[in-house]
Amino acid sequence: DAGVIQSPRHEVTEMGQEVTLRCKPISGHDYLFWYRQTMMRGLELLIYFNNNVPIDDSGMPEDRFSAKMPNASFSTLKIQPSEPRDSAVYFCASSSQLTYEQYFGPGTRLTVT
Amino acid sequence: AQSVTQLGSHVSVSEGALVLLRCNYSSSVPPYLFWYVQYPNQGLQLLLKYTSAATLVKGINGFEAEFKKSETSFHLTKPSAHMSDAAEYFCAVSGYNFNKFYFGSGTKLNVKP
Repeated sequence: DAGVIQSPRHEVTEMGQEVTLRCKPISGHDYLFWYRQTMMRGLELLIYFNNNVPIDDSGMPEDRFSAKMPNASFSTLKIQPSEPRDSAVYFCASSSQLTYEQYFGPGTRLTVT
Repeated sequence: AQSVTQLGSHVSVSEGALVLLRCNYSSSVPPYLFWYVQYPNQGLQLLLKYTSAATLVKGINGFEAEFKKSETSFHLTKPSAHMSDAAEYFCAVSGYNFNKFYFGSGTKLNVKP
């Protein structure tokens, strides 16, 4: 299995621009998670989906952030408009309700200037 | 509510010495517990998990952890540190929803030659 796939691996953008991060979970997994990691705040859960339905978005920092999962093999996290404080590494993870283990992707390092 | 406390944001050991990384949890239900490792510029990788079977859990790369309910602890150990163990280690607990994890703030392990 290829594992969780994220793209792009690095994104540099200017303040005010729209940013879209992409994730392909492990085939057969029914949970998908978006996390953000920064030095100051550590690892934060932003939102997670079960069977493509958002279950808990309480970690989404504000309305500039949105996430979708149109099908079982694809999810996006969008930031519009982006701000410098959004600079972080964004991870996608997936899991199966049979084993609960979360498998993480390599992350997208976002820099907003 | 569920939470995790990792004592010591930085731990330094000599190569060949015992590694001990501390994790205490708070959970209102019998917990599932996990340890993950993160190497620089990579995603988190599962080391081991406790899911209410044996209290001593063995993981990859020679690591193990012991679940102690009376102490609400799940400390990670390795008898002999190797230079390749230098990384950041995260403890996580799940609660009512076994699929949602609560991560600790992480411990960076430095291994000295």
